[in-house]
Amino acid sequence: DSGVTQTPKHLITATGQRVTLRCSPRSGDLSVYWYQQSLDQGLQFLIQYYNGEERAKGNILERFSAQQFPDLHSELNLSSLELGDSALYFCASSVGQGAGANVLTFGAGSRLTVL
Amino acid sequence: QKEVEQDPGPLSVPEGAIVSLNCTYSNSAFQYFMWYRQYSRKGPELLMYTYSSGNKEDGRFTAQVDKSSKYISLFIRDSQPSDSATYLCAMKADSSASKIIFGSGTRLSIRP
Repeated sequence: DSGVTQTPKHLITATGQRVTLRCSPRSGDLSVYWYQQSLDQGLQFLIQYYNGEERAKGNILERFSAQQFPDLHSELNLSSLELGDSALYFCASSVGQGAGANVLTFGAGSRLTVL
Repeated sequence: QKEVEQDPGPLSVPEGAIVSLNCTYSNSAFQYFMWYRQYSRKGPELLMYTYSSGNKEDGRFTAQVDKSSKYISLFIRDSQPSDSATYLCAMKADSSASKIIFGSGTRLSIRP
């Protein structure tokens, strides 16, 4: 167990729907990162939060949004889902600053299937 | 052309063999180099972390960085069936973890 908790583990939904993925970072980590992993694109960075504030944005679609709450857990919201959104979504955490900011600890992922 | 290229495999070797996994990259600004191991249905876990050029050894694992050739390698000695996993190289130019670029991963299978 990495200490990063993601729910749900699996999710099956239909096109056009909206889902929310949840992540609790490792104890003591202030920064949360979201990644998408698909067969053809590999691991793609979506967005980073540090202590409740957005810190960096990657290849995140406008249909996707995220936030980090005061208790440091984070949610990734995916709306108007398309077939191509089917992927593994990983959350990772780090201490956020200093030397430890380089080290990411990943959760086990949420597998999203859009039918 | 992708910034980081990695042969997807699969690579299958007998137990006890030396395994060599490689990545090439195009961005000469990359200074931090990592190898992650990902077991099936799990998230990636950091295996090796190096800064700039040179070698780093940790048990049966050795990471090598050749910045002049834009080429990094991970060697696994005395490979075990438990080493069967997907190995992702990753790299970035500065200390910001949000800028990490991952390779697509090489699937490795160690035959008993």
